[in-house]
Amino acid sequence: KAGVTQTPRYLIKTRGQQVTLSCSPISGHRSVSWYQQTPGQGLQFLFEYFSETQRNKGNFPGRFSGRQFSNSRSEMNVSTLELGDSALYLCASSVGQGVGTDTQYFGPGTRLTVL
Amino acid sequence: GQQVMQIPQYQHVQEGEDFTTYCNSSTTLSNIQWYKQRPGGHPVFLIQLVKSGEVKKQKRLTFQFGEAKKNSSLHITATQTTDVGTYFCAGQGNFNKFYFGSGTKLNVKP
Repeated sequence: KAGVTQTPRYLIKTRGQQVTLSCSPISGHRSVSWYQQTPGQGLQFLFEYFSETQRNKGNFPGRFSGRQFSNSRSEMNVSTLELGDSALYLCASSVGQGVGTDTQYFGPGTRLTVL
Repeated sequence: GQQVMQIPQYQHVQEGEDFTTYCNSSTTLSNIQWYKQRPGGHPVFLIQLVKSGEVKKQKRLTFQFGEAKKNSSLHITATQTTDVGTYFCAGQGNFNKFYFGSGTKLNVKP
């Protein structure tokens, strides 16, 4: 099976702009989770989508949002970008029992730089 | 708020030495997962522990989940250069919130 794919792999934006990141899960996986990884804060859980519904959410402001399509592909949007949003954004897919229960398979990530 | 802390933050060992990383949660976890992230790579799932006091082994790696389900450890026997990377624990706590530990970066000198 093909692994989790994320596009784009690299992105440079300026403060105030918005950005949309895409994640295609492993075929048959119904859950997609998103994470932010920074040197200072480590890996932080953003949210999890299952069957087009947000099932779990971390502690991020409303500028961070997501959605999931009927084919389980997911997008993450960050509006009004801030310098501190510069990070590696990882998505992970799993069968669908839940983010803390399933084995999660991570994609390669999107490296976002905010100038 | 709930946090999952890991110690040490960094560990440098000589090849052949043992290595242990510890994961501690402020509250009870329903289960704990361990991941490894190689430099420049993405996290890769290693194992999941569910039961109180559970111990699992994968070749040179031994994983433990504490009796109170608040702590866990990963022990590597006789490290090899291929063990280099950052090891993360992750667990689900109150209100189904999912947390990653801060990670332990392992460097192995040949």
